[in-house]
Amino acid sequence: SYELTQPPSVSVSPGQTASITCSGDKLGDKYACWYQQKPGQSPVLVIYQDGQRPSGIPERFSGSNSGNTATLTISGTQAVDEADYYCQAWDSNTGVFGGGTKLTVL
Amino acid sequence: QVQLVQSGAEVKKPGASVKVSCKASGYTFTSYAINWVRQATGRGLEWMGWMNPNSGRTGCAQKFQGRVTMTRNTSISTAYMELSSLKSEDTAIYYCATPISASSDSMDVWGKGTTVTVSS
Repeated sequence: SYELTQPPSVSVSPGQTASITCSGDKLGDKYACWYQQKPGQSPVLVIYQDGQRPSGIPERFSGSNSGNTATLTISGTQAVDEADYYCQAWDSNTGVFGGGTKLTVL
Repeated sequence: QVQLVQSGAEVKKPGASVKVSCKASGYTFTSYAINWVRQATGRGLEWMGWMNPNSGRTGCAQKFQGRVTMTRNTSISTAYMELSSLKSEDTAIYYCATPISASSDSMDVWGKGTTVTVSS
């Protein structure tokens, strides 16, 4: 079955750029999306179709996808961005989530 | 406003079944797929399956084939997910989610989740 791999944790200083990767076989041939989840809350879509931002998501969130890796980039990271982030894609009409990355803003 | 309202928490014994509901409002229920995603405590998101509320067509992860049934009642804009032969490992929060404003292959509206506890 298809798998997406994310680093378990990423740390970033406030104001700096955070990059979270998601790897999967020929992931670049699929659309990737990203979800943010804070403790006790439902996930929130922050990026869809590789690099599109839903309405209401700050411009500091961006995404890219090429080859085997999709990347979520948060520019000018703020304390409020501290959360778990999950990538997701579709393979043969089956949804697949990455294992999640805990972003810590120190 | 667009929202998905899920049913309340459930406690079940191993071997039993649970049926979770997801009531849609603020949009045309039959126009967008409903996905089901679960999350065990301290674990990541796990996609379970999807349903086309218009046709009733469904698809699910291989892991749940034979154990999950997804249905809907269009007259009350409600989707259901029933999981049978429950095991302790099925203890999790179960979410329904749908793509409304974003692309059809994403999920931008989520319910608040239904906690299912499987315990003897």
